[in-house]
Amino acid sequence: NAGVTQTPKFQVLKTGQSMTLQCAQDMNHEYMSWYRQDPGMGLRLIHYSVGAGITDQGEVPNGYNVSRSTTEDFPLRLLSAAPSQTSVYFCASSYPTGELFFGEGSRLTVL
Amino acid sequence: GENVEQHPSTLSVQEGDSAVIKCTYSDSASNYFPWYKQELGKGPQLIIDIRSNVGEKKDQRIAVTLNKTAKHFSLHITETQPEDSAVYFCAATVNYGGSQGNLIFGKGTKLSVKP
Repeated sequence: NAGVTQTPKFQVLKTGQSMTLQCAQDMNHEYMSWYRQDPGMGLRLIHYSVGAGITDQGEVPNGYNVSRSTTEDFPLRLLSAAPSQTSVYFCASSYPTGELFFGEGSRLTVL
Repeated sequence: GENVEQHPSTLSVQEGDSAVIKCTYSDSASNYFPWYKQELGKGPQLIIDIRSNVGEKKDQRIAVTLNKTAKHFSLHITETQPEDSAVYFCAATVNYGGSQGNLIFGKGTKLSVKP
C-alpha cells in the first residue's frame, strides 16, 4: 500500500526559479493538504483541497499555487522561489473522520 | 481562527519514567484533538486522538486527556522506552457531519528518552 507519495525528496533551487512538488495518494481520499515544517514553527498549512476542482488557502499561502484535477493528485507549485521558502514540505490526505496520512516529505533549499 | 500552544518544546526523561506534553487551544468549537509522532526524516504519524465527547482515552502506554472547560489536552506516555524518542505534535480542529476541518498544529515537543 503506497499511501501518500511525494516527489522529489530533495531539491535545490536558485532564487527566482520555479518548480512543482508532486503529491499522489491511492486511498481515494477527498481531502488533501500541503504543510511546511520549519524549525521551531511546527507544521503550517499552505493550501488544501476538499475534492477534485476545489482548493483553498491555508495559513501561509503566499508564493504557492495548487490545483486538483483528479482525486489522486495535488501538486504544489512555486512560481518564483525565494530563500524564505527553504523548508520541508509535507503532503497529507484524510478521510472525513479526521486522521491525516502524511507523505515522507520533500526537503527544498532555495539559494 | 484556531491557535494551538504546546509545551514543553523539549523534554528529556530516563527510560521507564513518564512523559507529559500539554497543549491549549483557543477555538471552543474545536472537537477533534489528535497527536502525531514524527521520527527523524519521516512524516508525522497519528498515535492517538480524542473527540470532545470523551475526557480520556488510552492505548497501551499512551493516554490523552481533554479538559474542554479549560481548553487544554495532554499526552501521557508511561514506561518510556528509547524508541519513544521523537517529535510529538498536538493538533485541533472542528470535525462534524463527516466534514474535515483543517488541522492546526502546535509547534512540537522533542522527546528524548535516555537509556
